[in-house]
Amino acid sequence: EMQLLESGGGLVQPGGSLRLSCAASGFTFGSYAMSWVRQAPGKGLEWISAFTSSGGSTYYADSVTGRFTVSRDNSKNTLYLQMSSLSAEDTAIYYCAKDRSGSWSFFDFWGQGTLVTVSS
Amino acid sequence: QVVLTQSPSASASLGASVKLTCTLSSGHSGYTIAWHQHQPEKGPRYLMELNSDGSHTRGDGIPDRFSGSSSGAERYLTISSLQSEDEADYFCQTWGTGIQVFGGGTKLTVL
Repeated sequence: EMQLLESGGGLVQPGGSLRLSCAASGFTFGSYAMSWVRQAPGKGLEWISAFTSSGGSTYYADSVTGRFTVSRDNSKNTLYLQMSSLSAEDTAIYYCAKDRSGSWSFFDFWGQGTLVTVSS
Repeated sequence: QVVLTQSPSASASLGASVKLTCTLSSGHSGYTIAWHQHQPEKGPRYLMELNSDGSHTRGDGIPDRFSGSSSGAERYLTISSLQSEDEADYFCQTWGTGIQVFGGGTKLTVL
C-alpha cells in the first residue's frame, strides 16, 4: 500500500526556517517525480516545487524561488523541503505528491499534509 | 500559460447526479487533466485522468460512479448516485514542463 507521510511542520517566526520531510513507502520512490503543494487557509492548491527522477532536475514556483530548496534521498525514500525567510504568506498545509511519471504528469497519490504556521 | 477555471460551488441531492466543469484557457483545449477529490481534514485523492477525447482512466479503487467526459476546452466530472461522503472539494490539474497548474476547486454540497 502506498503511503506518503509528511512531517516537520509547526509554528515558526517570520524570517525563520523549517525543513519538511515526506517519507514514502509502497512504491519505487526513485522512479517517480515528486512535488510539494500547499494550501493556505481559505485558498486553493498551489504547486511550489518538484524534483524529477529522470534527470534529477528541480523546479520552483516564483513565489518560493530563492527561499525554498527541494531535495530527495532515494536511499531513504524521502523528499525534503528546506524553507527559509518564511513570512505569514507561507502559512499553509504542505502536501507532498507523487507524480505518475518520472518527469511531468499528473499526481496519482498525495500525503495527508503537515501544517506550517508562520507567526510571531 | 494554461489556466484552469472552475465554478466555486455546486450542490445536488443525495442519490442524484452532478456534473462539475473545469475549463482550459484559450489555446489549451487539447490538454489532458486530472481530477482530484479533497475531503475536509484529509489529503487530496486522485480520481482520474481525463483526455481531450473524453477517454478517462480512474485511479485505483475509485468507483465507477465517478466518470469523466470532454467537450472542446471543457473537462467534466460526473458523480452519480451521490453519497454523503462525496461532499468535498473537487479540483482539476494539468501540467507543462516546469509547472503544475490547479483549478480553483469546486466545493460540492450534498443536500
